[in-house]
Amino acid sequence: GNSVTQMEGPVTLSEEAFLTINCTYTATGYPSLFWYVQYPGEGLQLLLKATKADDKGSNKGFEATYRKETTSFHLEKGSVQVSDSAVYFCALIYQAGTALIFGKGTTLSVSS
Amino acid sequence: SAVISQKPSRDICQRGTSLTIQCQVDSQVTMMFWYRQQPGQSLTLIATANQGSEATYESGFVIDKFPISRPNLTFSTLTVSNMSPEDSSIYLCSAEVGGVLGNTIYFGEGSWLTVV
Repeated sequence: GNSVTQMEGPVTLSEEAFLTINCTYTATGYPSLFWYVQYPGEGLQLLLKATKADDKGSNKGFEATYRKETTSFHLEKGSVQVSDSAVYFCALIYQAGTALIFGKGTTLSVSS
Repeated sequence: SAVISQKPSRDICQRGTSLTIQCQVDSQVTMMFWYRQQPGQSLTLIATANQGSEATYESGFVIDKFPISRPNLTFSTLTVSNMSPEDSSIYLCSAEVGGVLGNTIYFGEGSWLTVV
């Protein structure tokens, strides 16, 4: 079946450190891939997306590249800030009209 | 993109009562989805609400407990019936929006329910 696997958290970093959160997927066909972010006490916000192989999604300094050969969509940021502290969810849609399939989420904590 | 508004944003509910959550989208959408997020957990899909048809429920969720309405292309409601403390969760409404770069699902801010 279709599924998303994220690295276990929490991830604790110092400000300006490099961030990688690993995400791999299993899906039939050609899914669209997403990263959502949930700040404390808030709902989910779309961070970035990619719809086909080799696409790179980017937003707010975050990037992720759709790697079909490794079925991965790792989230990266070159220099994290305290304000990036949140829970990050990797997700996929395997076809239009279907619901998102989520990973378990990774909590990021950035200290100054 | 889409702006999705949910009401109530937070509520404290008495055991045994029911609460209806409203979800309004600022554009017409075909597919809407309701999720539950229990404390510290990921999101679990409750049901898919397609305008003009009955909602489709996921395993473990039933219509008697979570009745859903979808009267038009911009609005949906989820009722949590006969609540117990185990229903304390965030309930999130979402909608699928199409675009030239493919479909995207946007979320409301969530309804944070505490059952006492």
